[in-house]
Amino acid sequence: EIVLTQSPGTLSLSPGERATLSCRASQSVSSTSLAWYQQKPGQAPRLLIYGASSRASGIPDRFSGSGSGTDFTLTVSRLEPEDFAVYYCQQYGTSPPYTFGQGTKLEIK
Amino acid sequence: EVQLVESGGGLVQPGGSLRLSCVASGFTFSNFFMTWVRQAPVKGLEWVANINQDGSEKYYVDSVKGRFTISRDNAKSSLYLQMNSLKAEDTAVYYCARVRLRTEGRYFDYWGQGTLVTVSS
Repeated sequence: EIVLTQSPGTLSLSPGERATLSCRASQSVSSTSLAWYQQKPGQAPRLLIYGASSRASGIPDRFSGSGSGTDFTLTVSRLEPEDFAVYYCQQYGTSPPYTFGQGTKLEIK
Repeated sequence: EVQLVESGGGLVQPGGSLRLSCVASGFTFSNFFMTWVRQAPVKGLEWVANINQDGSEKYYVDSVKGRFTISRDNAKSSLYLQMNSLKAEDTAVYYCARVRLRTEGRYFDYWGQGTLVTVSS
């Protein structure tokens, strides 16, 4: 099983600042199998990034993804008030289980 | 517009059974893998099960193998999760989601709003 470890657990920033979220895999993951989701309280997760770096439909360009192998990053260039949420990375490799990271909570400082 | 609507959650005693349903609309249901993902209270996301387009391939996380069964009815655009021998640790919000398997990436692109399953005596 591939374990995804996200850091930090909580990130406290102010609107307008840049956020950098990390996702590290326990073994190499194909870039095509790495996705990022955003979840707000009481809501279902929403797809942000797929294929490590492709933005999903309707996602603002302040969100970007990068990385390869075992290290992946989600960057939010200039935080808007609506960006404060929990973010999860997920790998969908060649065989199950299709694991999620434990999440990074992005909170207002 | 793609929509996924889950139902069937509720309170059940340990050892009991429950069947979740997810009705899809806005896309050709029979063309897509589908999945169930759960989220325990104040916890992260956990993939539970996948099913292919015609229901001939099913995959489960180890913790539910032998207890949960994923199935689908393409004529009704519906996905199901039969949950037996429920345990307290199965308490969670259960989401259904559509799976995309593309050259560019593999991911869950649309999610339902979730249905809460509580296992307690």
